Amino acid sequence: QQQVKQSPQSLIVQKGGISIINCAYENTAFDYFPWYQQFPGKGPALLIAIRPDVSEKKEGRFTISFNKSAKQFSLHIMDSQPGDSATYFCAASRGRHRGSTLGRLYFGRGTQLTVWP
Amino acid sequence: EAGVVQSPRYKIIEKKQPVAFWCNPISGHNTLYWYRQNLGQGPELLIRYENEEAVDDSQLPKDRFSAERLKGVDSTLKIQPAELGDSAVYLCASSLEVSGRKVNEQFFGPGTRLTVL
Repeated sequence: QQQVKQSPQSLIVQKGGISIINCAYENTAFDYFPWYQQFPGKGPALLIAIRPDVSEKKEGRFTISFNKSAKQFSLHIMDSQPGDSATYFCAASRGRHRGSTLGRLYFGRGTQLTVWP
Repeated sequence: EAGVVQSPRYKIIEKKQPVAFWCNPISGHNTLYWYRQNLGQGPELLIRYENEEAVDDSQLPKDRFSAERLKGVDSTLKIQPAELGDSAVYLCASSLEVSGRKVNEQFFGPGTRLTVL
């Protein structure tokens, strides 16, 4: 089953607007929540990541909000630009341990963001 | 610094034929991952290597898929025989696992797009 559920599937935002993508998870053992950005024909690239000991992390125009009790986290893109048009994936993993499935990243299905100029 | 290199970028084969993908990770990265990304989905881990040892291959369909990472550097993923459902993008990623750090960033290559006819 899908370990991480992501919505919406697609999002259209006007230039300068705020883009919000949401993710939810069930496994309370997850302790690392990254967001990846993927352009057509390219591999995913890490955008920003958060650990559950903080509720928010901001890097430039990108902010992750994390709600541990609700098991939800979201990506906010402020002042969205046409260059932000890409597919965004949330993911989750549970620590690291040699020789086990710990550390495996579970990805959401992705959100295709289009920012109109 | 060169990123993760994959070849070929595209491959079209007929079903029941064999196919192989090659990956050269970022220099010095000791951990290598193979993911499969179906159209409109997030990447799913197939196998993870720590140096030359496969430490997580629970999602690899071992009846037709095989992988190797000789000398703990580059890696090859093989499918034999290919089936129609194997059409996907095969992504390679690498990371530098540092003792004491809980999670280390994964860097992805551009992927190989496989089409099975």
